[in-house]
Amino acid sequence: AQSVTQPDIHITVSEGASLELRCNYSYGATPYLFWYVQSPGQGLQLLLKYFSGDTLVQGIKGFEAEFKRSQSSFNLRKPSVHWSDAAEYFCAVGAQGGYNKLIFGAGTRLAVHP
Amino acid sequence: EPEVTQTPSHQVTQMGQEVILRCVPISNHLYFYWYRQILGQKVEFLVSFYNNEISEKSEIFDDQFSVERPDGSNFTLKIRSTKLEDSAMYFCASYGVAGGPREDTQYFGPGTRLTVL
Repeated sequence: AQSVTQPDIHITVSEGASLELRCNYSYGATPYLFWYVQSPGQGLQLLLKYFSGDTLVQGIKGFEAEFKRSQSSFNLRKPSVHWSDAAEYFCAVGAQGGYNKLIFGAGTRLAVHP
Repeated sequence: EPEVTQTPSHQVTQMGQEVILRCVPISNHLYFYWYRQILGQKVEFLVSFYNNEISEKSEIFDDQFSVERPDGSNFTLKIRSTKLEDSAMYFCASYGVAGGPREDTQYFGPGTRLTVL
């Protein structure tokens, strides 16, 4: 079955600390992978995506993610978190082509302490 | 940057009433979607629409739901007889083809929060 698992429901970090949000997927074919961010009361904003090629992808707001096929993972990282990064982060997977439905994880809520 | 827009931002309705949620996808995008997020839960796919017909739908998308692209710019989701469990945030998304604006990824609107009383 196709699924996305985000093991951490809540994460709290101090401002300036590094961040890693975990994402594992189960997908029959080669997936397209995405990270979206949702600020309170807002919609879903694309942070970054992986389709193919270099397994380390850069996104907006200083985020990066690494695709590891052997571990079925696509973890999101940021070297230094800012208070404005507090939000909910969703990992999603879709079939090749980009136009296929996305399957989302349950999300990780990030809190940032000053 | 072009954006997906949705109206209204918040809709309150009585159980059993019909609601229509509206979306304006990114111009020149060809694929359109509805997803929903029940409070505290994950975002779930409802339906995708291409070339004026449904290309895929989830088991959630039963006969109470319908979608339409009534003109060249709007994309609507209709719920014929709302239930309490339809209360959720509904997101519209659109997808563009290579060479067009904001290509190769589904871009989401800000959502419509539907509250069924």
